[in-house]
Amino acid sequence: DQQVKQNSPSLSVQEGRISILNCDYTNSMFDYFLWYKKYPAEGPTFLISISSIKDKNEDGRFTVFLNKSAKHLSLHIVPSQPGDSAVYFCAAGRRFQGAQKLVFGQGTRLTINP
Amino acid sequence: DAGVIQSPRHEVTEMGQEVTLRCKPISGHDYLFWYRQTMMRGLELLIYFNNNVPIDDSGMPEDRFSAKMPNASFSTLKIQPSEPRDSAVYFCASSLSGGGETQYFGPGTRLLVL
Repeated sequence: DQQVKQNSPSLSVQEGRISILNCDYTNSMFDYFLWYKKYPAEGPTFLISISSIKDKNEDGRFTVFLNKSAKHLSLHIVPSQPGDSAVYFCAAGRRFQGAQKLVFGQGTRLTINP
Repeated sequence: DAGVIQSPRHEVTEMGQEVTLRCKPISGHDYLFWYRQTMMRGLELLIYFNNNVPIDDSGMPEDRFSAKMPNASFSTLKIQPSEPRDSAVYFCASSLSGGGETQYFGPGTRLLVL
């Protein structure tokens, strides 16, 4: 049973435009959400996070939105750049014994076209 | 600063052989996580440690898998005996309690069991 879903396996966006990546979750006990970016042959790299007590967090070109009632979060990248081409994973966490147990989505491959 | 270090980066072995994957977390981090990534199941948590003590191993698939953390700077994930279905990319991650929830990932070990 997938608790975290990224329904779009891939997304193609023109350079300079906005990229919007979506993620849905089912467990209302999750209290922390993260986005990771992954290049081939590398480990996931932390991008941005949001606590369940907030509905928006912004860091430069990256903004994460959280809609708890809909159990939905999204990542906005504005403006999109060629270097943003990667696989993006959303993760949802629930604190257990002092650490966040993360559940990851399947990933969305983002391609930024020049 | 050195990130999470994993070795080997690639491992090819034959079914039935013992496989040992190694991880050195970021210095000072007190949580260490082992993940596995496959096409079918995505990125899933296997086990995590706090201050070298295993906290939650509910994600470990079978008794053939074992993990240890003899000290704060070293952990191993062992598969004995290995099977073709163990072929995957294994990631190690570490985090710091009280320093946010972010887990920092190593580059991964790509394991192929023939």
